[in-house]
Order: sequence, then C-alpha cells, then structure tokens
Amino acid sequence: SAVISQKPSRDICQRGTSLTIQCQVDSQVTMMFWYRQQPGQSLTLIATANQGSEATYESGFVIDKFPISRPNLTFSTLTVSNMSPEDSSIYLCSVEDLRRGGYTFGSGTRLTVV
Amino acid sequence: DAKTTQPPSMDCAEGRAANLPCNHSTISGNEYVYWYRQIHSQGPQYIIHGLKNNETNEMASLIITEDRKSSTLILPHATLRDTAVYYCIVSAFGNEKLTFGTGTRLTIIP
Repeated sequence: SAVISQKPSRDICQRGTSLTIQCQVDSQVTMMFWYRQQPGQSLTLIATANQGSEATYESGFVIDKFPISRPNLTFSTLTVSNMSPEDSSIYLCSVEDLRRGGYTFGSGTRLTVV
Repeated sequence: DAKTTQPPSMDCAEGRAANLPCNHSTISGNEYVYWYRQIHSQGPQYIIHGLKNNETNEMASLIITEDRKSSTLILPHATLRDTAVYYCIVSAFGNEKLTFGTGTRLTIIP
C-alpha cells in the first residue's frame, strides 16, 4: 500500500501564528485529502487537493484559514493560519491506494495552540 | 451526515471473535463498504472493503448481506491490540472523499 510521511508529528504553537504541515507520498496520486480531528471527535474533511489546481474546500473551511499547496503528484502542504486554541486538533492527510483499494492515512499532526 | 449507523461501543473477550455490525440502508449500487480503525490518536488504518461479496484478508472478514443494507466486520481472534475505534464507511470507488461517522469503540477485555 501507499506510504505517507507526514510532518511534524506534533507541535505546540502560539495563538496568532501559522503552522505548515507537510505530506509526502511514495507514489504519484491524483488527489490528496486533508482531514481534521478535534479532540474526542471523528474525522472531518477539510479539503481535497488536486495537483495543478486550487483545492476544493468543504463547508465551514476556507482557503484563507487553511491554504493548501499541491506542487506535484507526491506532495502537499496544509497551513493552519492565524491559529487560535480552537484549532487544536489532529490534522491528517490521506490518499487513495489504487493498488489495494481504500485510502491510506498519514500518522497525523497533533497541534496544540496555546 | 454519515450514511452508516454503528453501535457506539462494544466489548469482546480476548481470543474470541469480535463481530462489529454496521447498517447502511441507503447504500447506492456503486458504493463500496469500507472498514477502518483508529488506534488512539493514530491515523486511521485500512482494514478491508467489499462491494457485495464477502471478503477476507489477513486482518478480518467482511460479511455483507444480500440486500447490501448491512454488514459485519469480523476479527476472528481478538487481541488487546485490536482495541480501537472502528469506522464503517460507504463510498464509491475512485478519489471520492470519505465521510466518517462516530464509529464503534471496541474494547478487548483480557
């Protein structure tokens, strides 16, 4: 199955600052998905990132707050901008595994905003 | 709004088979049933998926009813490491986003 390297694994950030999360895949993929998991909650999709085009955001998420880059078929970044304590969550990237079926997830970035 | 219904929690004795049910009565003809699990704060782990036939792999078996409105994930010999939240998701194949429900918190009892 596809292998995803997600960095950083965790961070503690000051409110008002921004954090960029990186996701590297060991194979070329068309779409990459970014999810948020708030404490004690299930996963919620933030946006879908296609290479060479703007990301598609889900309801409740906006590009100014969560800008996404997708420079090539193996890499994507998600930035959490102007952070507040409410942004404290686990952020995960995911790709479809065409060889096996289903989706593979990164190990997640645990973000704490203080 | 999730398209599946799962019990919020279940217990299973270590060494016994864990049977996790899922209802997906509004599943479409082109939608697969996927199962994932999340072990405390790690990324979700793919377990198995199926369309209409029963499936088995090294981790689990998936039993889908003939009308496809429900399914059961079977962990044949549960171990303590199987303690996790298990998510049942229906989705079409091919770069479609996954909608996670609240899942079933499975606790394996020693």
